Amino acid sequence: GAVVSQHPSWVICKSGTSVKIECRSLDFQATTMFWYRQFPKQSLMLMATSNEGSKATYEQGVEKDKFLINHASLTLSTLTVTSAHPEDSSFYICSATTSRQSPLEQYFGPGTRLTVT
Amino acid sequence: GQNIDQPTEMTATEGAIVQINCTYQTSGFNGLFWYQQHAGEAPTFLSYNVLDGLEEKGRFSSFLSRSKGYSYLLLKELQMKDSASYLCAVMDSNYQLIWGAGTKLIIKP
Repeated sequence: GAVVSQHPSWVICKSGTSVKIECRSLDFQATTMFWYRQFPKQSLMLMATSNEGSKATYEQGVEKDKFLINHASLTLSTLTVTSAHPEDSSFYICSATTSRQSPLEQYFGPGTRLTVT
Repeated sequence: GQNIDQPTEMTATEGAIVQINCTYQTSGFNGLFWYQQHAGEAPTFLSYNVLDGLEEKGRFSSFLSRSKGYSYLLLKELQMKDSASYLCAVMDSNYQLIWGAGTKLIIKP
């Protein structure tokens, strides 16, 4: 089956620093990748949708200058949390798909736990 | 607006059956998903319904009624490892997944 990896799986950083999270599709080419954030005991919240080679589309309320998304290749998307603050501490999950119109073909990464101190 | 409702928490006994309900109101409909999520892990796919009726897959079954905006996930022969959150998600007309808040299922011996 299709596999999506995320790196790192967890990270602790100091307030004010930047953190980069990688999302890779290991055995397929992902035309679209999604970035989600999940706070404790809450559901997944879509942050942005990125298509390879184009700018990401951010959901309302998500600061594009704070959460930088780059989808430079068909197998890699990165999310950079700039000037992180404690309120950015969350579980970040990416998913990848070969086709947005094929609902079943969306595969999730294992998630990255970010803690900002 | 778009809305997915499911109970916050349910408790069931090992070996029993439990039904988790989900109601939705979305802009368009391209299918309803159920995912299982263990604490600290990403969701894993359980089922997908796009037509009315019951889909059975081993111990898990999922039902959909599009006219009622309603689905349920049925878990049989519950095992302790089934303790997890169960997320209902609907794919809207833009092929975007709209997520419910999840139902935390607690299995007791």
